[in-house]
Amino acid sequence: QSALTQPASVSGSPGQSITISCTGSSSDVGTYNLVSWYQNHPGKAPKLIVYEDNKRPSGVSNRFSGSKSGNTASLTISGLQAEDEADYYCCSFAGGNIHYVFGTGTEVTVL
Amino acid sequence: QVQLVQSGAEVKEPGASVKLSCKASGITLTNHFMHWVRQAPGQGLEWMGTVHPDTITTTYSLRFQGRVTMTSDTSTSTVSLELRSLRSEDTALYYCMREAIGAAKNFDCWGQGTLVTVSS
Repeated sequence: QSALTQPASVSGSPGQSITISCTGSSSDVGTYNLVSWYQNHPGKAPKLIVYEDNKRPSGVSNRFSGSKSGNTASLTISGLQAEDEADYYCCSFAGGNIHYVFGTGTEVTVL
Repeated sequence: QVQLVQSGAEVKEPGASVKLSCKASGITLTNHFMHWVRQAPGQGLEWMGTVHPDTITTTYSLRFQGRVTMTSDTSTSTVSLELRSLRSEDTALYYCMREAIGAAKNFDCWGQGTLVTVSS
């Protein structure tokens, strides 16, 4: 099972919106409504920011939103802020013997 | 404070074993699956397996089956990962995570990571 494909880096200016894609297959992203997204500041514990494709945990800013079309999930960060500079990973449940597959990770830079 | 606290960095020689721990503080592990993933240098995250602290049920990725053992100790709210027959490719940052309640297929709490270096 291959990792989910994410762009290596995405950048934007403060206040702008950016979108990170996460491309999988019909065995994972395309079958299960179970894509989650994680924010990882270097040296810190990763944080859940989106689950079940488009739901936000309590306490997560509504500037983060998830969506999905076919085998590709997306994370949009609107009103980009300096504190959003981090690595972002998607994850999909894949069932069977694979269970979970993660994305390759995207480094977000706030210009 | 709600957190998972992982054990410190390890340096091991090829062929050795390593055992990592992950202790819950301020959160419960009851009724939650606990998972381990790793991130090799320059690579993405790789799922290794899961253990249910209440039932001691384990499921491992086929890639690690035979080399990995995940255990739990509910009396200390600690889960552990043992990886045997280490090779250089096992050099990575290892994370423990709690799966959200109801086997929700997402991870609502993560440890800070433990760096394992395999080198002669």
